Amino acid sequence: SQTIHQWPATLVQPVGSPLSLECTVEGTSNPNLYWYRQAAGRGLQLLFYSVGIGQISSEVPQNLSASRPQDRQFILSSKKLLLSDSGFYLCAWSPEQETQYFGPGTRLLVL
Amino acid sequence: SQQGEEDPQALSIQEGENATMNCSYKTSINNLQWYRQNSGRGLVHLILIRSNEREKHSGRLRVTLDTSKKSSSLLITASRAADTASYFCAKGGNDMRFGAGTRLTVKP
Repeated sequence: SQTIHQWPATLVQPVGSPLSLECTVEGTSNPNLYWYRQAAGRGLQLLFYSVGIGQISSEVPQNLSASRPQDRQFILSSKKLLLSDSGFYLCAWSPEQETQYFGPGTRLLVL
Repeated sequence: SQQGEEDPQALSIQEGENATMNCSYKTSINNLQWYRQNSGRGLVHLILIRSNEREKHSGRLRVTLDTSKKSSSLLITASRAADTASYFCAKGGNDMRFGAGTRLTVKP
């Protein structure tokens, strides 16, 4: 069966520090991968998606970037965090362009 | 922009009652999906309904789709306290977009 992992679960970072969140999927190959951000009490905002290694589509211009160095690994990064980067970050995978399966999320607090 | 807009924003009912949540969207769809999110957790896929379907059932869940009105509804019958969560709709595709969700509270 397929599983999706995200780490860390919680992260507190100072403003201006770098960020690296990792997402990995097991039990499947060539998945579509997604990064979302969710503000408290709000819906999900799609940040990036990838249909293959090295292929990244950005949905919203911002302080973040994504990379897919391996087939089942998706990384969300920032060189310098802003206060507004705080939120709940969710990674998801999909075997096709339909149902998405979400990871447990990373809660990021930028102080 | 958001594609799925859920209504109401919040819903509070007693255990055993039915809960109905609505979703409106703006552009044409191939399919529409409903997800559930427990507090502080990832989303869990509940059901997918395709544009050529009008109704779909899964256990205590019933989803309807009206493409002429660009709307969908999720009915949870005989609700349980464990159904307490936020519910989101989203159109399928790589650019899946979610609304703010409906926060359902089921009181025991």
